[in-house]
Amino acid sequence: GDSVTQMEGPVTLSEEAFLTINCTYTATGYPSLFWYVQYPGEGLQLLLKATKADDKGSNKGFEATYRKETTSFHLEKGSVQVSDSAVYFCALSDPTDSNYQLIWGAGTKLIIKP
Amino acid sequence: DGGITQSPKYLFRKEGQNVTLSCEQNLNHDAMYWYRQDPGQGLRLIYYSQIVNDFQKGDIAEGYSVSREKKESFPLTVTSAQKNPTAFYLCASSILAASTDTQYFGPGTRLTVL
Repeated sequence: GDSVTQMEGPVTLSEEAFLTINCTYTATGYPSLFWYVQYPGEGLQLLLKATKADDKGSNKGFEATYRKETTSFHLEKGSVQVSDSAVYFCALSDPTDSNYQLIWGAGTKLIIKP
Repeated sequence: DGGITQSPKYLFRKEGQNVTLSCEQNLNHDAMYWYRQDPGQGLRLIYYSQIVNDFQKGDIAEGYSVSREKKESFPLTVTSAQKNPTAFYLCASSILAASTDTQYFGPGTRLTVL
């Protein structure tokens, strides 16, 4: 079945460091890919998404490129801030799944130190 | 402002009791979802509904029940049959149940069994 694998956390960085959070997937069809962010005690918010190969999603300085050849959707940011501390979830939605479920990674906790 | 509201934010239940978690959206979305989140894990789908008066089981529906009598409301009942109900519960909605659609999340309800 479909699955999403994220790098384990926590990831601890200093402010202004470069961020990469790895996400790889397996899917039957050509999925849409999403990054969601969860701040402490809150629900999830969509950070960015990409719906076809080579698409780049971007938002708030974060970027991720849909790489079909490596089945990856790694999240990157050039200079992180303390306010970026949160849990980041990678997810996919497979159009061959008639239920249109989102398949979730386990989440990666990001800690940014001043 | 449009959005999803969940109530209560915190809920305590004694063993053997049924409890109902509220989820309301004013986004005019057709599809609604209930997820369970446990510490250090991704989200798992409990139930979803693509249209009023219709809903389907997700991966972990046992011990839960839902109704969808109105487009804007999708309450979740955690029954006494759910063996380990302590978790964070998230409600979400999307315009349609489509693979490219973004799911929008409420702030969540934290359920604790005493």
